[in-house]
Amino acid sequence: DAGVIQSPRHEVTEMGQEVTLRCKPISGHDYLFWYRQTMMRGLELLIYFNNNVPIDDSGMPEDRFSAKMPNASFSTLKIQPSEPRDSAVYFCASSLTGPRFFGPGTRLTVL
Amino acid sequence: AQSVTQLDSQVPVFEEAPVELRCNYSSSVSVYLFWYVQYPNQGLQLLLKYLSGSTLVKGINGFEAEFNKSQTSFHLRKPSVHISDTAEYFCAVSDSRSDTGNQFYFGTGTSLTVIP
Repeated sequence: DAGVIQSPRHEVTEMGQEVTLRCKPISGHDYLFWYRQTMMRGLELLIYFNNNVPIDDSGMPEDRFSAKMPNASFSTLKIQPSEPRDSAVYFCASSLTGPRFFGPGTRLTVL
Repeated sequence: AQSVTQLDSQVPVFEEAPVELRCNYSSSVSVYLFWYVQYPNQGLQLLLKYLSGSTLVKGINGFEAEFNKSQTSFHLRKPSVHISDTAEYFCAVSDSRSDTGNQFYFGTGTSLTVIP
């Protein structure tokens, strides 16, 4: 299996622009998670899906953040408008039970 | 809710020396335990996991961890480290009765630096 796939790997944008991060989970996994990692706050769970349905989005920092999972093999995390404080590494992870399997992450820089 | 404590934020160790990275968790309920490694500019990679059975768990890259229920610990060990082991290590725990969803807790990480 190719593992969890994320794109892009790096994104540099200007404040106010829309940013869309993409994730393809491991085939057969029914849970998908979006995490954010920063030096100050460590790993934070933003939202997770089960069978394509959002279950808990309490970690989403603001209404500027939204996530979708239109099918079992694809999810997006959108930030609109982006702000400099959104700069972080965003990880997607998937699982059945037990361990989470992480993608390589998207490093987002908002200027 | 669970909590995970990684007692050492930074651990420097000389190459070929042994290392132990400490992890303690809060709950006494039945748990699943994990160690992840994160190399620079990469995602988190599963090193090893304890789900049930033997309390000594062997993982990739020569690492092993021992589950100690009475001390609620899951320390990670390697008898001889290599330069390539330099990375951030995260301990994680979930409640085995509900290990899906958001009931999955990470420690703050330990930065292991192997000195030549």
